[in-house]
Amino acid sequence: KQEVTQIPAALSVPEGENLVLNCSFTDSAIYNLQWFRQDPGKGLTSLLLIQSSQREQTSGRLNASLDKSSGRSTLYIAASQPGDSATYLCAVREDDYKLSFGAGTTVTVRA
Amino acid sequence: NAGVTQTPKFQVLKTGQSMTLQCAQDMNHEYMSWYRQDPGMGLRLIHYSVGAGITDQGEVPNGYNVSRSTTEDFPLRLLSAAPSQTSVYFCASSPTVTDTQYFGPGTRLTVL
Repeated sequence: KQEVTQIPAALSVPEGENLVLNCSFTDSAIYNLQWFRQDPGKGLTSLLLIQSSQREQTSGRLNASLDKSSGRSTLYIAASQPGDSATYLCAVREDDYKLSFGAGTTVTVRA
Repeated sequence: NAGVTQTPKFQVLKTGQSMTLQCAQDMNHEYMSWYRQDPGMGLRLIHYSVGAGITDQGEVPNGYNVSRSTTEDFPLRLLSAAPSQTSVYFCASSPTVTDTQYFGPGTRLTVL
């Protein structure tokens, strides 16, 4: 059974600092991996999707890397802003239907 | 496009009551799914559908039923509510099962 872990559970940084969020998974036979953002009381918004054949994906200040063999993905957010405060979730697609989620890392960016 | 919509936003039920959570999408997506989110546990898949008329069970299907009579709608039915079903429920859709998932705003359900 796929286990997805995100450590730490919470993170607080001053504005302007780069954020590094970690995601690890136990079964490397994945189809793709997604990073989501969730604001309090809201749904999930997809940030980046990395196919299993890719090493990284970039969108603006966001960069996600994937090392399938070691079961790890990292989300980098450059020059953090208070508006980046949210919970970030990673999810791995391991077969044709099941998306396994981590419990998330809650980020607070202090102004 | 309204994207993925869910109603109601909040609901309080008594143990044993039944109800239907509504989910609709206007993006002509084939794949739709229901998740529940509980503190510290991440999202868990309840049921999913790969197209109209086709549904299947996910990780935690017990106590829930679904149907998919149209591409747009994917309602989730609680047959006899239990306190263990207190959770936040999210509906999601995507063009195909492996594409980016688009989530609705969620329904917060409390069962007393």
